[in-house]
Amino acid sequence: NAGVTQTPKFRILKIGQSMTLQCTQDMNHNYMYWYRQDPGMGLKLIYYSVGAGITDKGEVPNGYNVSRSTTEDFPLRLELAAPSQTSVYFCASSNQPTGGVNYGYTFGSGTRLTVV
Amino acid sequence: GESVGLHLPTLSVQEGDNSIINCAYSNSASDYFIWYKQESGKGPQFIIDIRSNMDKRQGQRVTVLLNKTVKHLSLQIAATQPGDSAVYFCADLGGGSQGNLIFGKGTKLSVKP
Repeated sequence: NAGVTQTPKFRILKIGQSMTLQCTQDMNHNYMYWYRQDPGMGLKLIYYSVGAGITDKGEVPNGYNVSRSTTEDFPLRLELAAPSQTSVYFCASSNQPTGGVNYGYTFGSGTRLTVV
Repeated sequence: GESVGLHLPTLSVQEGDNSIINCAYSNSASDYFIWYKQESGKGPQFIIDIRSNMDKRQGQRVTVLLNKTVKHLSLQIAATQPGDSAVYFCADLGGGSQGNLIFGKGTKLSVKP
């Protein structure tokens, strides 16, 4: 299994440009997440999805949009890139919480985005 | 609001020694905690978890201790190896809100040969 796959790995954008960060998982997980990680900091939740067709805002959603048309894919869209969006972006997926064990997420390898 | 933080941003240990990484949380309703390891240039990787009805849980060379009285948990790594060098994050489920984890800032562990 590939797990969680993110593309691209690196990208440089000019201010005002737009782009889509792709994320796909092959584990049939219902839950998917987008985090950003700034240097020396923890991960902050941008958006999440509990299943196809359902998305919700996280802690830092401004400047981003998501969609979840299939279980496998959860793309993150930046419409008007700003320098403040320079960060490393991680996509993750998990099983639906059942009250049991292991809410652990499976993370992708990240996309390093620089906005200049 | 709730927060998950770490006492020490960096930790340097000698190969073979035991490492202890600490984490404090503020939400007394938190009922599930996870430790992640993040190697340079990679995504976080699940290490071990613990529920609030437990005080201790052991894995392979790792032990997580939870002290609910002072809202503190720690990750102990036995016989630390160079491959353990990474940033370690604790994360808190925060009372079961849709399974969204709240991450701390991380502790960078460096292992000296």
